Amino acid sequence: EAGVTQFPSHSVIEKGQTVTLRCDPISGHDNLYWYRRVMGKEIKFLLHFVKESKQDESGMPNNRFLAERTGGTYSTLKVQPAELEDSGVYFCASSPSSGYNEQFFGPGTRLTVL
Amino acid sequence: AQRVTQPEKLLSVFKGAPVELKCNYSYSGSPELFWYVQYSRQRLQLLLRHISRESIKGFTADLNKGETSFHLKKPFAQEEDSAMYYCALSSIFGNEKLTFGTGTRLTIIP
Repeated sequence: EAGVTQFPSHSVIEKGQTVTLRCDPISGHDNLYWYRRVMGKEIKFLLHFVKESKQDESGMPNNRFLAERTGGTYSTLKVQPAELEDSGVYFCASSPSSGYNEQFFGPGTRLTVL
Repeated sequence: AQRVTQPEKLLSVFKGAPVELKCNYSYSGSPELFWYVQYSRQRLQLLLRHISRESIKGFTADLNKGETSFHLKKPFAQEEDSAMYYCALSSIFGNEKLTFGTGTRLTIIP
């Protein structure tokens, strides 16, 4: 079974540009989470989808970040316009609705804003 | 507010020696506690969770509600244990966000 996939693996952009990150969860997982790790700091929660609905977006840092989950399948996270402090590793995780609460993580997207 | 504290950023232990990675938490109510591990060039993966009370790869962790701790232990370290370890918590009600500590990089010295 394929795990959580994320694209791209790396992205280098200039301040002010737009970047879109994509996450494909494990098939059948209703829950999809975005996290990010800024250099030297902890992995922080951004938001949580249940199917196509935003269940919790309390971790979104500001309105430059926009997340969507089309049809309850894959999700995108767009940063527009990107700032230097947005650099970090963005992780996606998914989990099923039933059973234990294990979240399965993707490999992450390393974003560098110059 | 919920918080996870891992006081050691770096920890080096000789092969065969005991390992203890510290984790303390603050949470209103009863949390579920986890240890996640990230080996070199691999993705973050669940090592163990307190609710299952399993021993994975020789690691155990006991939830101490009085001390609000969830320290990770292994009696005899192995070289393949070198990795980044994150303590995390979530609601016991399931399917909610994880709150992570800053992580401890464990290096096993041959």
